[in-house]
Amino acid sequence: NAGVTQTPKFQVLKTGQSMTLQCAQDMNHNSMYWYRQDPGMGLRLIYYSASEGTTDKGEVPNGYNVSRLNKREFSLRLESAAPSQTSVYFCASSESSSGPYEQYFGPGTRLTVT
Amino acid sequence: QKEVEQDPGPLSVPEGAIVSLNCTYSNSAFQYFMWYRQYSRKGPELLMYTYSSGNKEDGRFTAQVDKSSKYISLFIRDSQPSDSATYLCAMSEWDSNYQLIWGAGTKLIIKP
Repeated sequence: NAGVTQTPKFQVLKTGQSMTLQCAQDMNHNSMYWYRQDPGMGLRLIYYSASEGTTDKGEVPNGYNVSRLNKREFSLRLESAAPSQTSVYFCASSESSSGPYEQYFGPGTRLTVT
Repeated sequence: QKEVEQDPGPLSVPEGAIVSLNCTYSNSAFQYFMWYRQYSRKGPELLMYTYSSGNKEDGRFTAQVDKSSKYISLFIRDSQPSDSATYLCAMSEWDSNYQLIWGAGTKLIIKP
């Protein structure tokens, strides 16, 4: 039981390059989330998927796209990376998007855009 | 002004001390209050959550919510070096787990 896994763990991009961050969970959770974490800013929600087949914007969606491939997998794509997207990205999942259900986090992807 | 304010620290205390970590918030509609612990280079993990006002105890950890003051606290008794981590508070309104609002986190260092 791996929980939430993310790939890659580290990535360096040049401005304008694209990449996809992968996330998978094996807990049969319905809801999945993508956050970014910057020093002094806490966690900010980029996109979330309340259930398979649905996605919605969070607080900071500009410059990102997502795909809920199936119940297990939720990917985040940067189409044209910018230095402002240098951050640590976390994927999370929960049983539901309503109520106090615990969110389980992956280990994160450290992205640097030069 | 941020919706949730949390002192980033670092807070450094000797082993065995009682630690108090706090967050203030401005949205009176928040109903769920959570504390997550994040070790260096790891993802956050839920430590405790409380609903509405009151206290909740779990071993060495106690969470308190004072809705009248819009203030929440996490107390750690008999602190251990293994408690050294960043502690993040998070809050949400009823029925909106996807809208967790996070504090910036307080870095805690327990000195042996």
